[in-house]
Amino acid sequence: AQSVTQLDSHVSVSEGTPVLLRCNYSSSYSPSLFWYVQHPNKGLQLLLKYTSAATLVKGINGFEAEFKKSETSFHLTKPSAHMSDAAEYFCVVSDGGYGGSQGNLIFGKGTKLSVKP
Amino acid sequence: KAGVTQTPRYLIKTRGQQVTLSCSPISGHRSVSWYQQTPGQGLQFLFEYFSETQRNKGNFPGRFSGRQFSNSRSEMNVSTLELGDSALYLCASSSTGGGSYGYTFGSGTRLTVV
Repeated sequence: AQSVTQLDSHVSVSEGTPVLLRCNYSSSYSPSLFWYVQHPNKGLQLLLKYTSAATLVKGINGFEAEFKKSETSFHLTKPSAHMSDAAEYFCVVSDGGYGGSQGNLIFGKGTKLSVKP
Repeated sequence: KAGVTQTPRYLIKTRGQQVTLSCSPISGHRSVSWYQQTPGQGLQFLFEYFSETQRNKGNFPGRFSGRQFSNSRSEMNVSTLELGDSALYLCASSSTGGGSYGYTFGSGTRLTVV
């Protein structure tokens, strides 16, 4: 069965410093992995997705993530945090694999990112 | 291109009542999934519809049901509401559902059961 573990429930950084949000996954086959962001009282926005192409995935707003099969990790990074990055971030694995017919996303518990001025 | 539209945005219901939530997917998307978000349980998958057929279902009681219409719009119904059903209900649409294509989420319907 697929699962994701977000290693930190809360991360606090200063504006202009790097961001690292950690995610480990468990999957019985080559997974599709996603990072979503949720701002307060808003829906979920897709930041980036990994689908077995390049292992380094670039997303929106300067975020990127690296798929490391040997470590079963998919950590999210950003070189320089901005105040507007403060939000909750979810690491997600798809139940269906590439082009799968099942629409089941499995979410991590989320990491709340705080950005100090 | 319009995004995923969920109505209503906020809803207050009394225990024992039933409620229907609506989701209009992105034009051309045939897959609609529903998720429940609560502080305690996080985001949990309810069910997915594709071309009017339920293709996958999460681990929720039968009080939770849904359907999809020929125009891909979907509704979710919860009968005999319980206090624990208070949550943010999110709808997501995808062109095919699952896999590598990713999902676009709506802003959600915040349901409060009193």
